[in-house]
Amino acid sequence: SAVISQKPSRDICQRGTSLTIQCQVDSQVTMMFWYRQQPGQSLTLIATANQGSEATYESGFVIDKFPISRPNLTFSTLTVSNMSPEDSSIYLCSVEVPGGPDTQYFGPGTRLTVL
Amino acid sequence: LAKTTQPISMDSYEGQEVNITCSHNNIATNDYITWYQQFPSQGPRFIIQGYKTKVTNEVASLFIPADRKSSTLSLPRVSLSDTAVYYCLVDSGGGNKLTFGTGTQLKVEL
Repeated sequence: SAVISQKPSRDICQRGTSLTIQCQVDSQVTMMFWYRQQPGQSLTLIATANQGSEATYESGFVIDKFPISRPNLTFSTLTVSNMSPEDSSIYLCSVEVPGGPDTQYFGPGTRLTVL
Repeated sequence: LAKTTQPISMDSYEGQEVNITCSHNNIATNDYITWYQQFPSQGPRFIIQGYKTKVTNEVASLFIPADRKSSTLSLPRVSLSDTAVYYCLVDSGGGNKLTFGTGTQLKVEL
């Protein structure tokens, strides 16, 4: 298993600003994932972040809007840029832990509200 | 990626057994079936995973028929704290991205 923390846990931001969300894992992992969960909806994958390479974005998500950093095997950041109210969501990071079942472990999420 | 179909919601009472069935007609040979549980304001939590037949852990059982086109998550003697959204996913692991469906909102009442 893996213990994942995210900062901030929640934030209220103004339109047009940017917010960087941090994800910290208690063990080294190769693959980290960023998801978005809009109110009352399921999870949607934003991008996959591997250490040492550029993040891979899903259809509908672009690097200019959601830049991702992955400086080492235990940490990643997701920035939500030039925010609008439509970006109000919960943002979650997850990791795949090697050596166990092929499952992903999720962080607690960051609840973002854009005014 | 295989698409999954599961009921939008289910209601139950404390102490009852709850069975949530998921259809995945296009499951591939390499795909595993995994169930996650999500409470409000929390990230999804792994419950159980299987490939075929039956898998049981301390939380739940997972029944998978021979054709693997469906699976059933069984929660024995549910309590109020089992009220959550339950997601069924199929994937082949190895870093493949997970595709979450709509999930099943389980509501347990007294």
